[in-house]
Amino acid sequence: SQQGEEDPQALSIQEGENATMNCSYKTSINNLQWYRQNSGRGLVHLILIRSNEREKHSGRLRVTLDTSKKSSSLLITASRAADTASYFCATELQGAQKLVFGQGTRLTINP
Amino acid sequence: KAGVTQTPRYLIKTRGQQVTLSCSPISGHRSVSWYQQTPGQGLQFLFEYFSETQRNKGNFPGRFSGRQFSNSRSEMNVSTLELGDSALYLCASSLALRGETQYFGPGTRLLVL
Repeated sequence: SQQGEEDPQALSIQEGENATMNCSYKTSINNLQWYRQNSGRGLVHLILIRSNEREKHSGRLRVTLDTSKKSSSLLITASRAADTASYFCATELQGAQKLVFGQGTRLTINP
Repeated sequence: KAGVTQTPRYLIKTRGQQVTLSCSPISGHRSVSWYQQTPGQGLQFLFEYFSETQRNKGNFPGRFSGRQFSNSRSEMNVSTLELGDSALYLCASSLALRGETQYFGPGTRLLVL
């Protein structure tokens, strides 16, 4: 089964609103990474948060990590139409370099 | 720096054929990983190479293989293609074996007829 599970599977909001996506995982990790994918194209890296970090910011993005709950969240503030995409969390497992991806959240920003 | 490049971008093959996909990592990156993305299974790890050695392998049949060259460029090969191999194949590169951001290429979309 997938290491990462994302919630919700789909999210539709109005432009200007904030969007929050959640990711839960099962085993210990080295880090957790968030990616964006537009229409089946390549993945664009957004943020990497290490297991000893609790929060990171990048522009309008805020990522939190709670290792006790094995969960992470991605907050996009002041959403724009260009934020419409699928968002994936990926965990780098301890002892392995590979990334294990969740199924993703499909975010739609309505103008 | 140029990003990760993958060739070809699109490919159509028939069942039973074989295919080779190519990936050029970001300059200076020595780790290359391959992923398969399908609507049903999502993104799944295929294998990872570092310094020309396969370091990790996902749960795929032996028809899927790869290699890495001394310049860190990587190829993956799929033999005896099946309809279910139709997918987007993504390559990612990173500086180190662990703990670093993986940067993805645009992918190769393979259609098996």
